[in-house]
Amino acid sequence: AQSVAQPEDQVNVAEGNPLTVKCTYSVSGNPYLFWYVQYPNRGLQFLLKYITGDNLVKGSYGFEAEFNKSQTSFHLKKPSALVSDSALYFCAVRDEGYGQNFVFGPGTRLSVLP
Amino acid sequence: ETGVTQTPRHLVMGMTNKKSLKCEQHLGHNAMYWYKQSAKKPLELMFVYSLEERVENNSVPSRFSPECPNSSHLFLHLHTLQPEDSALYLCASSQDWGSKQETQYFGPGTRLLVL
Repeated sequence: AQSVAQPEDQVNVAEGNPLTVKCTYSVSGNPYLFWYVQYPNRGLQFLLKYITGDNLVKGSYGFEAEFNKSQTSFHLKKPSALVSDSALYFCAVRDEGYGQNFVFGPGTRLSVLP
Repeated sequence: ETGVTQTPRHLVMGMTNKKSLKCEQHLGHNAMYWYKQSAKKPLELMFVYSLEERVENNSVPSRFSPECPNSSHLFLHLHTLQPEDSALYLCASSQDWGSKQETQYFGPGTRLLVL
């Protein structure tokens, strides 16, 4: 079965500093990995996805994520955090060999402090 | 905006009421989804429609009844709900269902409170 873990409930970072939001996954086949962001009172917004190819994926709003097969990780990164990046971030996975639907992680709340 | 709209944005209902949530997508997609988002829990997939046919029903209580009259509209009919059904209900759409590369696009959600 497929699963996703986001080991940190909360990440705090100062504005201008680099940020990392962690995600690890477990699948039986090749993974298809996604990041979404949720601002207060809003739905989820797509940030980026990894399907195949380059391990470094670039997405919206200056975010990028690095796929690491050996560590089964897909951490979200940004070189310089903005206060407006404060939100709830979700990692999601589909398993190439299992089912059609997303499995979402529990979410990580990012707070960027001015 | 993502091209997926939901109404109402907020809803308060008693346990004996009947209400409906509406979702509309303006993206020309063929698949639509209902998710439930509760505090401290991962997103739960409730229903999936592909080309107006239900393809997934994840053990959802019968007090939730989906309807997909066409590929642009999705409803969730609610009746005799329980307080634990209070949550944010999210609608999403994707071009097709069945491709693992598909990105889902979410609406802003309906915040439901059951008293």
